[in-house]
Amino acid sequence: KAGVTQTPRYLIKTRGQQVTLSCSPISGHRSVSWYQQTPGQGLQFLFEYFSETQRNKGNFPGRFSGRQFSNSRSEMNVSTLELGDSALYLCASSSGLQGQFFGPGTRLTVL
Amino acid sequence: DQQVKQNSPSLSVQEGRISILNCDYTNSMFDYFLWYKKYPAEGPTFLISISSIKDKNEDGRFTVFLNKSAKHLSLHIVPSQPGDSAVYFCAASYTSGNTPLVFGKGTRLSVIA
Repeated sequence: KAGVTQTPRYLIKTRGQQVTLSCSPISGHRSVSWYQQTPGQGLQFLFEYFSETQRNKGNFPGRFSGRQFSNSRSEMNVSTLELGDSALYLCASSSGLQGQFFGPGTRLTVL
Repeated sequence: DQQVKQNSPSLSVQEGRISILNCDYTNSMFDYFLWYKKYPAEGPTFLISISSIKDKNEDGRFTVFLNKSAKHLSLHIVPSQPGDSAVYFCAASYTSGNTPLVFGKGTRLSVIA
């Protein structure tokens, strides 16, 4: 099976802009989660989608949002970008049985 | 407040020896624990997991030990190989490995040939 794919892999934006990241889960996985990795905070949970519904949400401001489509693909959006949003954004998919499998991530740089 | 802690930011081990990576947690509601390995510019790769009903799980060179009373788990790699050099993350979950995963900040393992 193909693994989790994320696009784009790298992105440079300026403060105030918005950005959309995309994630395609492993075939058959219905749960998609998003995490932010920064040097200071490590890996932090953003939110999880299951069957097009947000099932869990981490402690991030409302500028961070997401959605899931009927084919389980997911997008994450960050509006009004701040310098502190520079991070590696990781997507993980799960079948609900054995933990989560991560994609390679999208490296977002905010200038 | 950090619920999952990896107190050693880095660890160096000779090739062929045992690597022991440690992880402590504070929340007794966690019931599933996982270890991930991460190379630069890649996402974390699942290594091994353990349910709170067990105290040991083994998979090839990797063994995870869980001490619930001490809220401590460890990952043993025997024998260590240069390809094991990576950052290792400990993670905990309330829901048998599903979200949300709470991660430690990682331990960078260097295996020296």
